[in-house]
Amino acid sequence: DIQMTQSPASLSASVGETVTITCRASENIYSYLAWYQQKQGKSPQLLVYNAKTLAEGVPSRFSGSGSGTQFSLKINSLQPEDFGSYYCQHHYGTPYTFGGGTKLEIK
Amino acid sequence: QVQLKESGPGLVAPSQSLSITCTVSGFSLTSYGVSWVRQPPGKGLEWLGVIWGDGSTNYHSALISRLSISKDNSKSQVFLKLNSLQTDDTATYYCAKPELGWFAYWGQGTLVTVSA
Repeated sequence: DIQMTQSPASLSASVGETVTITCRASENIYSYLAWYQQKQGKSPQLLVYNAKTLAEGVPSRFSGSGSGTQFSLKINSLQPEDFGSYYCQHHYGTPYTFGGGTKLEIK
Repeated sequence: QVQLKESGPGLVAPSQSLSITCTVSGFSLTSYGVSWVRQPPGKGLEWLGVIWGDGSTNYHSALISRLSISKDNSKSQVFLKLNSLQTDDTATYYCAKPELGWFAYWGQGTLVTVSA
């Protein structure tokens, strides 16, 4: 199975800052990577798929990049509603796997 | 619009089996798949398996001996059955609709606690 490793596991930032979360795949997954945001007690929400395509309704301050084994999610000008947990997931065939998550907290 | 909703037992005793139903609307199970994902309290997401429109299935390699996913197309329901539950199976269980592998639609989740 493909292993997905996210870093950092936690991150503290202020409103207005720019942050980057990284995700590494254990083998080449081309651009088959998705990112999700999850708020406490809620279901995950799709942010990005195919490594860089924003899901419908996702603000343009979010951007995804990368290919192969190295990927990143960048959030420009953090807003209060951006705090929560973020997960990467490869969609290069089953079994799909998720990264361990990054918890983004307010500084 | 696409909707998914899980219904489960809440509490299950160790060594027993878990059955959860996902009822969908806004799409046909004959054409689209449904996946199951779980999340232990305070931990990350774990993909469990998928049933496709043609009824074929794929499972998490570590759960393949305990997990079964089935469906009733006429009732728009997908079923998860997990056998021989242990305390580390305690989690919120989600059903989700895979697009080309990513999940744009999720249910609200159902918390299952494994405890005597």
